[in-house]
Amino acid sequence: GQQLNQSPQSMFIQEGEDVSMNCTSSSIFNTWLWYKQDPGEGPVLLIALYKAGELTSNGRLTAQFGITRKDSFLNISASIPSDVGIYFCAGLTNAGNMLTFGGGTRLMVKP
Amino acid sequence: EAQVTQNPRYLITVTGKKLTVTCSQNMNHEYMSWYRQDPGLGLRQIYYSMNVEVTDKGDVPEGYKVSRKEKRNFPLILESPSPNQTSLYFCASSLGRKDEQFFGPGTRLTVL
Repeated sequence: GQQLNQSPQSMFIQEGEDVSMNCTSSSIFNTWLWYKQDPGEGPVLLIALYKAGELTSNGRLTAQFGITRKDSFLNISASIPSDVGIYFCAGLTNAGNMLTFGGGTRLMVKP
Repeated sequence: EAQVTQNPRYLITVTGKKLTVTCSQNMNHEYMSWYRQDPGLGLRQIYYSMNVEVTDKGDVPEGYKVSRKEKRNFPLILESPSPNQTSLYFCASSLGRKDEQFFGPGTRLTVL
């Protein structure tokens, strides 16, 4: 099946720092999604991107749909301790019926 | 409250003993799916269902079965579990295949 390469796999940062993570693929996707998973819970949708080049913000989070439709990135500004968790990118093709997930980025924030 | 529920939340079993993990949603969603989550591999789709009586294989369907007799329920069946099926399992539902998927709380399965 299709694969999404997500990096970095983990990050350990100081509170207040900005964070950036990205996903790349050899396949084209028509929808990019970013999820966050808190410990012991299921993933929750943060941002959805539907058009190439689209830049969307949700509070301190900003995500972009790459112009080639093969990549996406997520930025978190001024991180806080509750940002801790695993962040997943996911892609959906126009014809596909399945979401393909990246391997996740584990974020740890030191107060 | 709109939600996806899974049962059980935790299960330890032995190789070969058939088990079922239930999933139910109260949002009248048409699309439901099952994922397994393993370290470094993200979430991989096992099976999905576009509607009642319509199911299809995902990326990793081997060793699993599903059924969709009613819109709200989508049980995952392991006829003969093996240790490589030890994982964290999530059920999800959405209005349609392109809509936001809502995830259940997860079921942690250990097969000895």
